[in-house]
Amino acid sequence: DTEVTQTPKHLVMGMTNKKSLKCEQHMGHRAMYWYKQKAKKPPELMFVYSYEKLSINESVPSRFSPECPNSSLLNLHLHALQPEDSALYLCASSQEDGSTGELFFGEGSRLTVL
Amino acid sequence: GQNIDQPTEMTATEGAIVQINCTYQTSGFNGLFWYQQHAGEAPTFLSYNVLDGLEEKGRFSSFLSRSKGYSYLLLKELQMKDSASYLCAVMDSNYQLIWGAGTKLIIKP
Repeated sequence: DTEVTQTPKHLVMGMTNKKSLKCEQHMGHRAMYWYKQKAKKPPELMFVYSYEKLSINESVPSRFSPECPNSSLLNLHLHALQPEDSALYLCASSQEDGSTGELFFGEGSRLTVL
Repeated sequence: GQNIDQPTEMTATEGAIVQINCTYQTSGFNGLFWYQQHAGEAPTFLSYNVLDGLEEKGRFSSFLSRSKGYSYLLLKELQMKDSASYLCAVMDSNYQLIWGAGTKLIIKP
């Protein structure tokens, strides 16, 4: 199994809603990542979890809250988002935090904030 | 600062060869990656170079010169499905991936 699975694929939410994005991998990878990607731009790193601990938080607003319940799961909780937060949110995993480098990406969750 | 440069857009003909260049200036170097991304989809891994030289994988090859801060991705026997964005990314001394803005490759019949 070489897949990273993300749900939902599409999400539309209002600025007062609370929703969550979910990510799952069964490759035994110990590092998991959240990226945000706007159209025609490269992915921007948001968070990195290494061995289920948050190792990097790239100054992301608190309306985004990551959670890593176990080594296979990664969630991104969303609350009080702004329209400019509309983007493709990509989850990725790698064997360890950076040492091998190859990131396996999920298909992404396309978020629209109204 | 850290910087990765690659052309914004390139056009090539089906069956031909195209070379996409990438130059970088980063704080440290732990490898260079090329990813392919079709519109609306996630990036998929193409290649990884950490030593100087050419890595060949089927129709795709990637070259690295660390002294010049330069890499290229070579695509041979182009197919219409190769129309996509190609992202160059460098892993810095903190093992963080620094991404280029991507090169949109358009393949014409």
